[in-house]
Amino acid sequence: KAGVTQTPRYLIKTRGQQVTLSCSPISGHRSVSWYQQTPGQGLQFLFEYFSETQRNKGNFPGRFSGRQFSNSRSEMNVSTLELGDSALYLCASNRGGLGTDTQYFGPGTRLTVL
Amino acid sequence: GNSVTQMEGPVTLSEEAFLTINCTYTATGYPSLFWYVQYPGEGLQLLLKATKADDKGSNKGFEATYRKETTSFHLEKGSVQVSDSAVYFCALRWPTGGGNKLTFGTGTQLKVEL
Repeated sequence: KAGVTQTPRYLIKTRGQQVTLSCSPISGHRSVSWYQQTPGQGLQFLFEYFSETQRNKGNFPGRFSGRQFSNSRSEMNVSTLELGDSALYLCASNRGGLGTDTQYFGPGTRLTVL
Repeated sequence: GNSVTQMEGPVTLSEEAFLTINCTYTATGYPSLFWYVQYPGEGLQLLLKATKADDKGSNKGFEATYRKETTSFHLEKGSVQVSDSAVYFCALRWPTGGGNKLTFGTGTQLKVEL
């Protein structure tokens, strides 16, 4: 079974631009979560989508948004990019159940904002 | 709120040495606890988990026991190998209310030398 895939793997943007990142979960998984990883703040939860609905949201400004499609693929968008948005963005999927279900992570998208 | 505290790294060990990485958490109730590992240039991989007090998670020679009385989930391995060099993250998740949101510690870098 294929793992979680994220595209693109690397991205370079300039301040003020916007960016869209994509995540394809493991087949049969209905929940997709997004995390931001930076050296200063570590791993921080952005949001979770389940059955095309946002189920949970972290403490990020409204410039960060996401969506999920009927095939469970998810995208996240960052508008008006700032230098501090440079990070590794990780996507994770699981079957969707709450509690003990294992989350599987993708390799991440490395975003650099110049 | 919920939080996870890990020992500061980097930790440098000789091959075959004993490893302990401390992890304590702050949370009301009984969250599920996880250890994830991140190899250079990759996403996170689940190493082991425990879902209730006194549970012991184990995988690839690594072990951790969910200690409710000390709110701890320390990672141990009896004999490390060079291939264990990576960053290790302790994390917790609430079974209800928080969706599948994971709260991570800051990570501990492990370097194993010959």
